[in-house]
Amino acid sequence: DQQVKQNSPSLRVQEGRISILNCDYTNSMFDYFLWYKKYPAEGPTFLISISSIKDKNEDGRFTVFLNKSAKHLSLHIVPSQPGDSAVYFCAASAGTGNQFYFGTGTSLTVIP
Amino acid sequence: SAVISQKPSRDICQRGTSLTIQCQVDSQVTMMFWYRQQPGQSLTLIATANQGSEATYESGFVIDKFPISRPNLTFSTLTVSNMSPEDSSIYLCSVGTGVGRAQYFGPGTRLLVL
Repeated sequence: DQQVKQNSPSLRVQEGRISILNCDYTNSMFDYFLWYKKYPAEGPTFLISISSIKDKNEDGRFTVFLNKSAKHLSLHIVPSQPGDSAVYFCAASAGTGNQFYFGTGTSLTVIP
Repeated sequence: SAVISQKPSRDICQRGTSLTIQCQVDSQVTMMFWYRQQPGQSLTLIATANQGSEATYESGFVIDKFPISRPNLTFSTLTVSNMSPEDSSIYLCSVGTGVGRAQYFGPGTRLLVL
């Protein structure tokens, strides 16, 4: 059973606008969440993370929001740039374990 | 962040054969992991490669099918044994970095089994 879900397989956004990528999870024990970006023929690249004690973490153009009651997190990219076009994966883990559960990814296309 | 390389980058293999994938890191790391991404699926952790002891496998993965070596703190191998077309996947190694619990990934090995 998929514990981390990204229900939008793709997203198209105009350059300069905001990109919002969504992720839902089912396991209330998850306490650490990450976003990865993946270009074709490359491995995933770590982007930003958030611990469950926070509801927001910001790094430059990237902000991750966590809504624990809704078991939902989102990644905001603003302003979006063509170089942001990639597949974005969210991942979650519980406790000190090494097991990360990944979503299936959302393919973002930023249109110039 | 650590620089991670994998060999081979891709391969096409016949069913029943085995392939060993290498993962090299440019610095010593405590934690190394092996993942699989089947077509259209999410990344799934196969095992944690422990230096000096046997790997720790996740549910659904066994040592006979995916033997792992970790001879030192910068290198690990994953063997996909007795391959079938269902083993066609991208195999990725990753390392823990101490930045929170973030893991950093290698470029992956694309495997196609005919």
